[in-house]
Amino acid sequence: GAVVSQHPSRVICKSGTSVKIECRSLDFQATTMFWYRQFPKQSLMLMATSNEGSKATYEQGVEKDKFLINHASLTLSTLTVTSAHPEDSSFYICSAKSLGERSYNEQFFGPGTRLTVL
Amino acid sequence: GDSVTQMEGPVTLSEEAFLTINCTYTATGYPSLFWYVQYPGEGLQLLLKATKADDKGSNKGFEATYRKETTSFHLEKGSVQVSDSAVYFCALLNTGGFKTIFGAGTRLFVKA
Repeated sequence: GAVVSQHPSRVICKSGTSVKIECRSLDFQATTMFWYRQFPKQSLMLMATSNEGSKATYEQGVEKDKFLINHASLTLSTLTVTSAHPEDSSFYICSAKSLGERSYNEQFFGPGTRLTVL
Repeated sequence: GDSVTQMEGPVTLSEEAFLTINCTYTATGYPSLFWYVQYPGEGLQLLLKATKADDKGSNKGFEATYRKETTSFHLEKGSVQVSDSAVYFCALLNTGGFKTIFGAGTRLFVKA
């Protein structure tokens, strides 16, 4: 149990286009989902925290108009990279916190999406 | 603020060698502590966790003990395998908070 999926796993796009990445909790309801960015050989950087039905909370330095987050249901959050540029190329990872008691204080991570902007 | 410091890599070991990856933390309250593993090209997988002082987390031969007195959560394995080659992240989640704070990661290479 506690599986989180991401789609797509890899995406290559042209500069100036927008890309949407989906994050789904497959077998549990997620009150909160997180979006991270990971540069090569570096740690994860938290970009934003989203709660179902409310606006996302962005970390300092993350452009909210650039990285649009929607958490429309308890099992789905989307990250849209708008007008992507080569510097947005990165590995994007989502995670979800469970609503239930069985997974108290634990986040479950998706497999990541590698974005390459040409 | 809360932080996690782990030893810099890369760490290169021969198969069957003993592994220690040091991790120390700074946090207010009583955090939960985690080790995650990331294999090449993949997301993070929870390796083990400990939620209170003196707890020992263990999985797949890896162990880590939550030491509040030294604010440490060092990862150990008695005999590493080539398949253990990956990046290991130490992390904490503070009580009442939603953010997981990650260390910088330690890359492990195990040679046959």
